[in-house]
Amino acid sequence: AQSVTQLDSQVPVFEEAPVELRCNYSSSVSVYLFWYVQYPNQGLQLLLKYLSGSTLVESINGFEAEFNKSQTSFHLRKPSVHISDTAEYFCAVIDGTGGYNKLIFGAGTRLAVHP
Amino acid sequence: EAQVTQNPRYLITVTGKKLTVTCSQNMNHEYMSWYRQDPGLGLRQIYYSMNVEVTDKGDVPEGYKVSRKEKRNFPLILESPSPNQTSLYFCASRTGRAYEQYFGPGTRLTVT
Repeated sequence: AQSVTQLDSQVPVFEEAPVELRCNYSSSVSVYLFWYVQYPNQGLQLLLKYLSGSTLVESINGFEAEFNKSQTSFHLRKPSVHISDTAEYFCAVIDGTGGYNKLIFGAGTRLAVHP
Repeated sequence: EAQVTQNPRYLITVTGKKLTVTCSQNMNHEYMSWYRQDPGLGLRQIYYSMNVEVTDKGDVPEGYKVSRKEKRNFPLILESPSPNQTSLYFCASRTGRAYEQYFGPGTRLTVT
């Protein structure tokens, strides 16, 4: 079965600084990876996904993530963060064992952007 | 607007008093799921449904029931809530072919 490890529970950063949120998954077999974002008092929204093709995927608000098969990682990066990026970020992977494509979440990383 | 709705958004109740959290989606999705979110644990799946009248346990089903009598609705039932079920609950849906899930706004439940 798949599992996801988010290595940092909290990441404080100053506005306009770069940030990397780390995510590792457990298996390299048929990997489908996601980053979801949860803004305060809201539900989860899909930020970006890797299903196949280019290993570098981008979101519309400047985040990017790179699928690295050899390191079983899918780290999320942004070169310059804004106050509005303050949120909790969840890495997730599909576990297809048992015939149902279940979404397995990491514990989450709380990004706090300070002025 | 395509969406998943949940009601209520906030609920405070007492131990043992049966409650139902409703979930509805307007995207004609086959798959629906319930998750609970707890600090440091991320989201864990409680139950899922692959279609009408087809439901199965997720990772943390104890103390919960679900039903899927209509495609659009997937209520979560707590027959005898206990304080350890205090949590933030999310409903989600997706099509059978896609991997992307659409989440509701969440229901914050407190059991005293």
